Amino acid sequence: QVQLVESGGGVVQPGRSLRLSCAASKFTFNTYGMHWVRQAPGKGLEWVAVISYDGINKFYADSVKGRFTISRDNSKNTLYLQMNSLRSEDTAVYYCAKADYYGSGTLHCFDYWGQGTLVTVSS
Amino acid sequence: EIVLTQSPGTLSLSPGERATLSCRASQSVGNKHLAWYHQKPGQAPRLLIFGASTRAAGIPDRFSGSGSETDFTLTISRLEPEDFALYYCQQYGSQPLTFGGGTKVEIK
Repeated sequence: QVQLVESGGGVVQPGRSLRLSCAASKFTFNTYGMHWVRQAPGKGLEWVAVISYDGINKFYADSVKGRFTISRDNSKNTLYLQMNSLRSEDTAVYYCAKADYYGSGTLHCFDYWGQGTLVTVSS
Repeated sequence: EIVLTQSPGTLSLSPGERATLSCRASQSVGNKHLAWYHQKPGQAPRLLIFGASTRAAGIPDRFSGSGSETDFTLTISRLEPEDFALYYCQQYGSQPLTFGGGTKVEIK
């Protein structure tokens, strides 16, 4: 069974940085695009970013563009989200999610999700 | 950006009843790239339907999806106790990917 395990969340002050990780297992990580999706407390789902299977193509939501960077290390089966210049509105549970099909492209739905990691931006 | 509007916001029904959830897009969703998820408290979302009408692996056949272009529907033919949850639609026809605001299916 596919496993996605996020880590790196915590409490951080506004303007500071944080890096999230997502350790993937039980599937061929280097053939699937991967995404970050977040959910503010009591709110709906918001897509954050995608990275193609080979790390070449990346897209971001406007709300995080220029502040967040998605990356991956296929040798370690790990997805990352570097979050800089954090704001209070970035407070959310961050999920990593696997693309529903392998290969090129960045337009996916998500067939597996991690359990999420909570990021709280507060002074 | 494609904006997805889900209705109703809350659906109050009894076990065994039929649930009909709507997801309307602000512009046409290419290739019927519309998915449905449900989410229970404290859990990650789970994929139910992709491609507007294809059930994901392990999803019972009481769940069905339909629609195209701007109007999509998720139907649960007979509600089971475990179906009371939040439901989200998501389009993946164009960037940025977007979700609807959700429909809560609650026990009446």
